[in-house]
Amino acid sequence: AQTVTQSQPEMSVQEAETVTLSCTYDTSESNYYLFWYKQPPSRQMILVIRQEAYKQQNATENRFSVNFQKAAKSFSLKISDSQLGDTAMYFCAFRNDQGGKLIFGQGTELSVKP
Amino acid sequence: SAVISQKPSRDICQRGTSLTIQCQVDSQVTMMFWYRQQPGQSLTLIATANQGSEATYESGFVIDKFPISRPNLTFSTLTVSNMSPEDSSIYLCSVDRDRNTEAFFGQGTRLTVV
Repeated sequence: AQTVTQSQPEMSVQEAETVTLSCTYDTSESNYYLFWYKQPPSRQMILVIRQEAYKQQNATENRFSVNFQKAAKSFSLKISDSQLGDTAMYFCAFRNDQGGKLIFGQGTELSVKP
Repeated sequence: SAVISQKPSRDICQRGTSLTIQCQVDSQVTMMFWYRQQPGQSLTLIATANQGSEATYESGFVIDKFPISRPNLTFSTLTVSNMSPEDSSIYLCSVDRDRNTEAFFGQGTRLTVV
């Protein structure tokens, strides 16, 4: 069975600084998808970034980028130029390439301080 | 993307009663999912709602407690039956457009059982 682990329950960063959130996963599959979702206090789950396992290039979305290390089964999220609106719970998630359910990590609560 | 309307957004219910949560999608989707997020916790899949057949439940969740309907490709309901305070959680509806895209989420239903 697949598992996703986020070892940082809480993190904080100063506005405009850079922060990296860690995620590791375990799977025996070779093709799959990885995601980072953001959940602000509004409860809405918002996709931050996605990575296809068969792509070696790390995904980027504006200030958000990932460091995907397939052999190490690591998928960290880097947030550059942190903004107050980035304050939220961040979840790492795994899905196999057949679609279907997401398996979530425990979450990391990020606070961006002015 | 997909626009998902989930109702109610929140409710406070008496123990022993049942609550039905609705999830409406703006277009047809094959797979719909129901997740539970207990206070301060991550998301856990309850079941996959299949159109025209019974839902597929994850380990630890049973149909008698969480009956699900999926009458068509744009709508599903989750009922939380015979509620106890331990059922106090956020319940989220999610859909996939296809296996190559991310999952989209409704706004969630915050349930408090007293």
